Amino acid sequence: EPEVTQTPSHQVTQMGQEVILRCVPISNHLYFYWYRQILGQKVEFLVSFYNNEISEKSEIFDDQFSVERPDGSNFTLKIRSTKLEDSAMYFCASSQTGGTGTGELFFGEGSRLTVL
Amino acid sequence: AQSVTQPDIHITVSEGASLELRCNYSYGATPYLFWYVQSPGQGLQLLLKYFSGDTLVQGIKGFEAEFKRSQSSFNLRKPSVHWSDAAEYFCAVGARGSSASKIIFGSGTRLSIRP
Repeated sequence: EPEVTQTPSHQVTQMGQEVILRCVPISNHLYFYWYRQILGQKVEFLVSFYNNEISEKSEIFDDQFSVERPDGSNFTLKIRSTKLEDSAMYFCASSQTGGTGTGELFFGEGSRLTVL
Repeated sequence: AQSVTQPDIHITVSEGASLELRCNYSYGATPYLFWYVQSPGQGLQLLLKYFSGDTLVQGIKGFEAEFKRSQSSFNLRKPSVHWSDAAEYFCAVGARGSSASKIIFGSGTRLSIRP
């Protein structure tokens, strides 16, 4: 069964360092998303991406964050200068349709980011 | 904008007992509704979803949920829980007609199973 894969599963970094989290969405999906979950809290929407551009982003997704689909298969989330409060589990998701479609999201297993 | 409320932070039930997890949503039209389960350290697995039609939807692992428009609710039920059902459960709502199918999650209900 096709699945969304994420790497790394866990990354530890120093505050101020740049981090790139990688995702391989399901191959025929067109919409891509990043969510995050701070430990013990709810899953929060960060950004959605379609047709090589951001469709929507939340207040959390500030200038420190960026997303890219560099090669047609990967979908990356970059945090330019990590802060302690960026420590969280980051989930990538993809969907085949968006908007008026059924829009079911398929989630990856997550990448845990720990900022020291 | 859509929102989701899960009023129960933590629920403990005995193995074999029935379960109902509450979810209330806020949205101006009929939304897409989902229940996801997250085992410790794991990702999010879709249990079931409601898009249209029959308001009682069946999901995996013996779960079901009922969409009640009049109450803006989408409660999750299981007639007999198993110890393996211990996990965090998230209700989520998606907006129809938006530019992308983002979904908004509730704060989750942690389910513990008493032997």
